[in-house]
Amino acid sequence: AQTVTQSQPEMSVQEAETVTLSCTYDTSESDYYLFWYKQPPSRQMILVIRQEAYKQQNATENRFSVNFQKAAKSFSLKISDSQLGDAAMYFCAYRSLGTGNQFYFGTGTSLTVIP
Amino acid sequence: NAGVTQTPKFQVLKTGQSMTLQCAQDMNHEYMSWYRQDPGMGLRLIHYSVGAGITDQGEVPNGYNVSRSTTEDFPLRLLSAAPSQTSVYFCASRRGSGNQPQHFGDGTRLSIL
Repeated sequence: AQTVTQSQPEMSVQEAETVTLSCTYDTSESDYYLFWYKQPPSRQMILVIRQEAYKQQNATENRFSVNFQKAAKSFSLKISDSQLGDAAMYFCAYRSLGTGNQFYFGTGTSLTVIP
Repeated sequence: NAGVTQTPKFQVLKTGQSMTLQCAQDMNHEYMSWYRQDPGMGLRLIHYSVGAGITDQGEVPNGYNVSRSTTEDFPLRLLSAAPSQTSVYFCASRRGSGNQPQHFGDGTRLSIL
């Protein structure tokens, strides 16, 4: 099974500043999808951004962007102009294209935004 | 626009009791999954289904049963609850093709005493 590693259990950022959350994964597959999900205290799981492995261009969604390094198996999330509402747990997820097309999640990074 | 609906939101059980966590989706998604979320461990897959009548085990299936008699519903059954099953449970659904993300329910916080 694929493994997803988020090595930063906790991060903090000043409001309006930029923060990068790291994610690495282990796979022998050449094609797959990657996702970042946000989980605020309300417990909802909210999709932040997605990336197809076959695309070299990094995905962006407003203030959120990724740095996808396929050879290094790295998929970091950059949050620009951080806002108080960005405070949440962030999960990196890998979606296999193998049997069952399953999602594998990292252990999460808790992001605190300091006013 | 309901999406994925989980019931109940909270439940307390005694060891040995049984219960069913309900999950329903109204998006006609083929794939449905159950996860448990424990502190420091992220989301771990319990069981999943790729369509009505088809289920399979995930990473942590022991102590749980599922069935998928319709596209919409995917209940999770605990036959004899144990304290180790205290967790937050999420149901999710998605389309089978392409880069479709998981759509999650709001979760069920389950405590086993």
